Amino acid sequence: EAGVAQSPRYKIIEKRQSVAFWCNPISGHATLYWYQQILGQGPKLLIQFQNNGVVDDSQLPKDRFSAERLKGVDSTLKIQPAKLEDSAVYLCASSLDPTATYEQYFGPGTRLTVT
Amino acid sequence: AQSVTQPDIHITVSEGASLELRCNYSYGATPYLFWYVQSPGQGLQLLLKYFSGDTLVQGIKGFEAEFKRSQSSFNLRKPSVHWSDAAEYFCAVGDNTNAGKSTFGDGTTLTVKP
Repeated sequence: EAGVAQSPRYKIIEKRQSVAFWCNPISGHATLYWYQQILGQGPKLLIQFQNNGVVDDSQLPKDRFSAERLKGVDSTLKIQPAKLEDSAVYLCASSLDPTATYEQYFGPGTRLTVT
Repeated sequence: AQSVTQPDIHITVSEGASLELRCNYSYGATPYLFWYVQSPGQGLQLLLKYFSGDTLVQGIKGFEAEFKRSQSSFNLRKPSVHWSDAAEYFCAVGDNTNAGKSTFGDGTTLTVKP
């Protein structure tokens, strides 16, 4: 079984530029999560999708961050414009069940550096 | 709001020694609790989880954790550490209306001495 795929693995941009990250969850997983992990901290949930609908986006900075999950499969997370404090690893995870009584499977992450 | 505290930022143990990583949580109801491991350059992997029932939970790679409601703790243990256990460990508490909405601690980095 293929794992959660993310691309790119690394990205360096200047502040005020825009950037997009892509995630392909495990086949059949209805729930998809985007996390932000700042160096030295644990992951923070940004947004949770159930199929192509948003379950929770209470911690997503909506003035600059957006995410979509077209057709309930792949997802894209965008930052526009980026700030220095957005430097972090962005993790995507998926699970079979929205209550996550099933395990969340994490991708390797995208490391973003904003200069 | 739920929160998690991992008091130890960094722990060093010798290979073969026992390990205990501490986790304290704050949550108003019966929590869902998780331990994850993250190796360098890798995503997080679930070690074990507690939802209800037996308070001693067995996980993968020989790890176990004990839920103690009176102490609001969910400490991770392993009787004999291997060099390959060197990694960062995260404790998380899930909202029991949506366990997918987990709050993570800031992690404990484990170094294993030969």
